[in-house]
Amino acid sequence: DAKTTQPPSMDCAEGRAANLPCNHSTISGNEYVYWYRQIHSQGPQYIIHGLKNNETNEMASLIITEDRKSSTLILPHATLRDTAVYYCIVSSGHSGSARQLTFGSGTQLTVLP
Amino acid sequence: GAVVSQHPSWVICKSGTSVKIECRSLDFQATTMFWYRQFPKQSLMLMATSNEGSKATYEQGVEKDKFLINHASLTLSTLTVTSAHPEDSSFYICSASEETQYFGPGTRLLVL
Repeated sequence: DAKTTQPPSMDCAEGRAANLPCNHSTISGNEYVYWYRQIHSQGPQYIIHGLKNNETNEMASLIITEDRKSSTLILPHATLRDTAVYYCIVSSGHSGSARQLTFGSGTQLTVLP
Repeated sequence: GAVVSQHPSWVICKSGTSVKIECRSLDFQATTMFWYRQFPKQSLMLMATSNEGSKATYEQGVEKDKFLINHASLTLSTLTVTSAHPEDSSFYICSASEETQYFGPGTRLLVL
């Protein structure tokens, strides 16, 4: 699976949009971009995933560049409860048999009051 | 999203004892479950892949005789830490895969 690069930390003001970048310049054609987050002392929580189109769900939006070498996770109105480590993971395939996720260091997002 | 539970949420045991951790997918069937370990201030490290009805696949450096994995049904996988030692103290997290991988809340193990 392709390696990802994320900034180690970011701050965001409560109520503002949080934009978390991720570089995955070696991504291959069948690899999806997944985003998870881990709030302190809890298991990771699935946020969103995508292949090449932008995606949106009730939690966030995922913007993938046209060349797929980078992506941005957008939390439209950050709250204090969104403070967590956010992981961007690239993994091949989506349907069918399960595939492994390799966690990097992630981005520590701190939402400030 | 789908719900994965773990039991117990935390456990304290004496060195040399064995500890069993259960991972259940509550509202879906999971042919594959994964076990991770996370040390303080570090990221999750995959320990093993558990497939229902077959032997688990362990990552390099993970002792299969120490970390016994059983995946007897499509909703339950267990991790047994045998003869636990203080260095096994960690946060153990399982995940179950439908199409997307969903994680349990984790089990914190402290070996005295």
